[in-house]
Amino acid sequence: EAGVTQFPSHSVIEKGQTVTLRCDPISGHDNLYWYRRVMGKEIKFLLHFVKESKQDESGMPNNRFLAERTGGTYSTLKVQPAELEDSGVYFCASSQDRFLRQGYYGYTFGSGTRLTVV
Amino acid sequence: QKEVEQNSGPLSVPEGAIASLNCTYSDRVSQSFFWYRQYSGKSPELIMSIYSNGDKEDGRFTAQLNKASQYVSLLIRDSQPSDSATYLCAARLTGAGSYQLTFGKGTKLSVIP
Repeated sequence: EAGVTQFPSHSVIEKGQTVTLRCDPISGHDNLYWYRRVMGKEIKFLLHFVKESKQDESGMPNNRFLAERTGGTYSTLKVQPAELEDSGVYFCASSQDRFLRQGYYGYTFGSGTRLTVV
Repeated sequence: QKEVEQNSGPLSVPEGAIASLNCTYSDRVSQSFFWYRQYSGKSPELIMSIYSNGDKEDGRFTAQLNKASQYVSLLIRDSQPSDSATYLCAARLTGAGSYQLTFGKGTKLSVIP
């Protein structure tokens, strides 16, 4: 089974530019999540898709971030315009547990995109 | 605000010893807990999940949950150098719409040969 795939693995952009990150979840996983880790901080939730619908976007920091999941397959996360504080590692994860089933199933994470804004 | 606290370490143990990793959480509504292992530059990898009070064992790993005291721990028996990594504790609400994981900052474990 292929894992969660993210690309690019690294991106260096200048402040004010636009960057688009992509995530391909495990096939058949309806749930897709975006998290990020900024330097020295813990991994923090950004948002959650169920198929193509945004189930929870309470973690999105501001309107410079736009996530989409057209067709319920892969997802993109666009940052426009990028700021210095957006630097960090952006993780995507997916899971199959649509009905939570006691909530004891964790996610499968991708290897992340390291974003550096200079 | 939900918080998950972990000692950042580093925690150093000799090969073959038991490594004990601890985590406390502030939100009494959190009901499911996860331990992830993350090697440097790699993705977090789920190694244990627990949602009932008590112990859960899987091979060399034992997760312990005490909801009254709001702590979760992970024991690694017969520690190996390959266990050297950062261990992330995460808490999750259960219930309709609650899929978020709240992570701690992680504890770095070093197993000394």
